[in-house]
Amino acid sequence: AQSVTQLDSQVPVFEEAPVELRCNYSSSVSVYLFWYVQYPNQGLQLLLKYLSGSTLVKGINGFEAEFNKSQTSFHLRKPSVHISDTAEYFCAVSRIGGSQGNLIFGKGTKLSVKP
Amino acid sequence: EADIYQTPRYLVIGTGKKITLECSQTMGHDKMYWYQQDPGMELHLIHYSYGVNSTEKGDLSSESTVSRIRTEHFPLTLESARPSHTSQYLCASMPGLSTDTQYFGPGTRLTVL
Repeated sequence: AQSVTQLDSQVPVFEEAPVELRCNYSSSVSVYLFWYVQYPNQGLQLLLKYLSGSTLVKGINGFEAEFNKSQTSFHLRKPSVHISDTAEYFCAVSRIGGSQGNLIFGKGTKLSVKP
Repeated sequence: EADIYQTPRYLVIGTGKKITLECSQTMGHDKMYWYQQDPGMELHLIHYSYGVNSTEKGDLSSESTVSRIRTEHFPLTLESARPSHTSQYLCASMPGLSTDTQYFGPGTRLTVL
């Protein structure tokens, strides 16, 4: 079984400051890793994903994440945030080779960017 | 950009009513999913489908039922709505040969009074 822990439920930050949203996972098998963003009253949109290869993954809107296998982490970073980045961010995993492709989500981190 | 639609976006209904939440996608994806999302909680998988006439229950037990008669539609039905069903319901789809990216619809926010 897999599980995902997002260590911070809320992260307030000022505009143009850097941000890191933390994600740790637990799994007895290899997994794919994802970050999704949910803007108010909208569905989830894929920010980035790690399938294999380089451990530093770049996504949309200037976000990037680094896969650390030894620490079972997949933290999301952005060097300079904008007001428009205010949203809820979800980390998720799915089992490699699992035919269903089912995603296991964390509880989400609400990023609040203040002017 | 993924084309996956959910209707209605918002629904307020009384206890005991039968409701159907619609989900449709125009991408020809074989795999479709329903998630339940409560505030401050993880999204939980309640139903999924590999293709036409295939439906399976997810990790979270749900009183809802689903059907998959056509590839593009995956409706979710509650025969008798209760206040405990109040939640946001998100539909997603994924190509049949893929095991990675799911594409999500905008969600239906259901309130049962």
